[in-house]
Amino acid sequence: GENVEQHPSTLSVQEGDSAVIKCTYSDSASNYFPWYKQELGKGPQLIIDIRSNVGEKKDQRIAVTLNKTAKHFSLHITETQPEDSAVYFCAPVFSGTYKYIFGTGTRLKVLA
Amino acid sequence: ETGVTQSPTHLIKTRGQQVTLRCSSQSGHNTVSWYQQALGQGPQFIFQYYREEENGRGNFPPRFSGLQFPNYSSELNVNALELDDSALYLCASSLGQGTGEKLFFGSGTQLSVL
Repeated sequence: GENVEQHPSTLSVQEGDSAVIKCTYSDSASNYFPWYKQELGKGPQLIIDIRSNVGEKKDQRIAVTLNKTAKHFSLHITETQPEDSAVYFCAPVFSGTYKYIFGTGTRLKVLA
Repeated sequence: ETGVTQSPTHLIKTRGQQVTLRCSSQSGHNTVSWYQQALGQGPQFIFQYYREEENGRGNFPPRFSGLQFPNYSSELNVNALELDDSALYLCASSLGQGTGEKLFFGSGTQLSVL
């Protein structure tokens, strides 16, 4: 079945430190792996995504790594800033479907 | 380029009533998806519309229905409201309906059922 687990559920880091959030999924045929950031009172915003033919993608302070064999992908944020504080969701798309299966979310707090 | 807009932003209904939520997709996008987000959880897929046809559905009962119009805007209708329907309802648009199309979300409609 479709199962997505996200860890940790909460994460507090000091400003300037790095944060890593891991997402594990069950469908080995999934081929699209996005990460969304949701701030209070707003809808989720796509921050980075990766497709199954790529192992890593980086965009300034944000990176995503994919391990298809182990069926997990991770969000890496370096040099964290207070404005990075939000809830982050992974949302792999399962094969043969159009629906994103969202994880339960990780609340990231960046302490100044 | 305008983003995804949803109305109303907040709504209070009583159990048994019916509600209609509205969504305007981002310019150039022909596909709209609806998600339900309960407090403290990730969004859950309700259904998707592509060129005015329902194109896929999640585990939601038939009292959740939708429409898409020729201008690609969309409505979500919920009949016979239940207390558990209280949630943030999110609309997302995309360029197409294929797997892996990037979703762009609106800010949602917060529905409270009393």
